[in-house]
Amino acid sequence: SYVLTQPPSVSVAPGKTARITCGGNNIGSKSVHWYKQKPGQAPVLVIYYDADRPSGIPERFSGSNSGNTATLTISGVEAGDEADYYCQVWDGRSDHLFGGGTKLTVL
Amino acid sequence: QVQLVQSGAEVKKPGASVKVSCKASGYTFTDYYIHWVRQAPGQGLEWMGWINPNSGGTNSAQNFQGRVTMTRDTSISTAYMELSRLTSDDTAVYYCARDLIAARPVCSAYWGQGTLVTVSS
Repeated sequence: SYVLTQPPSVSVAPGKTARITCGGNNIGSKSVHWYKQKPGQAPVLVIYYDADRPSGIPERFSGSNSGNTATLTISGVEAGDEADYYCQVWDGRSDHLFGGGTKLTVL
Repeated sequence: QVQLVQSGAEVKKPGASVKVSCKASGYTFTDYYIHWVRQAPGQGLEWMGWINPNSGGTNSAQNFQGRVTMTRDTSISTAYMELSRLTSDDTAVYYCARDLIAARPVCSAYWGQGTLVTVSS
């Protein structure tokens, strides 16, 4: 079965750039979606189809996908960006898999 | 505005079943797939499956096949997820979510508030 690998945690200082990766075999051939989740809240879609932003999501959020790694990039990180982030792909058969999640800490 | 309102918290005994409802409003119910996702305490997101509200067709994750049933009632714009043969490992918050893209299962753009299901003897 297809597996998505995310780092458990990423730390970044305010104003800097955070990069959260999502690894998978030839993930570049799949469409990747990214979600942000704060404690006690439902997830929020922040990137879909690798790099598209839903309405209302700041331009600071961007995505890329190539080879075996997809990346969510958050520029000019703010305190409100502190959350868990999950990648998701369709495995090409039946499952819309989630990665294990990455906790972003703003120092 | 798009809203998904889920049914309230449930406490079930091992071996029982639970049925969670998800009432949609603010859009044409049959135009967008509904996904079901769960999250155990302190754990990550787990996709369970989707239902096409137009046709009633469903697709469930391999981990849940044979144990999850997804249905809908178009007359009241409500989707349902029933999980059977519950164990303590099924204790989780269960979310319904509407897809972003019409007529295709792609990703989850609008989420319900979540329903806590606790399985305990």
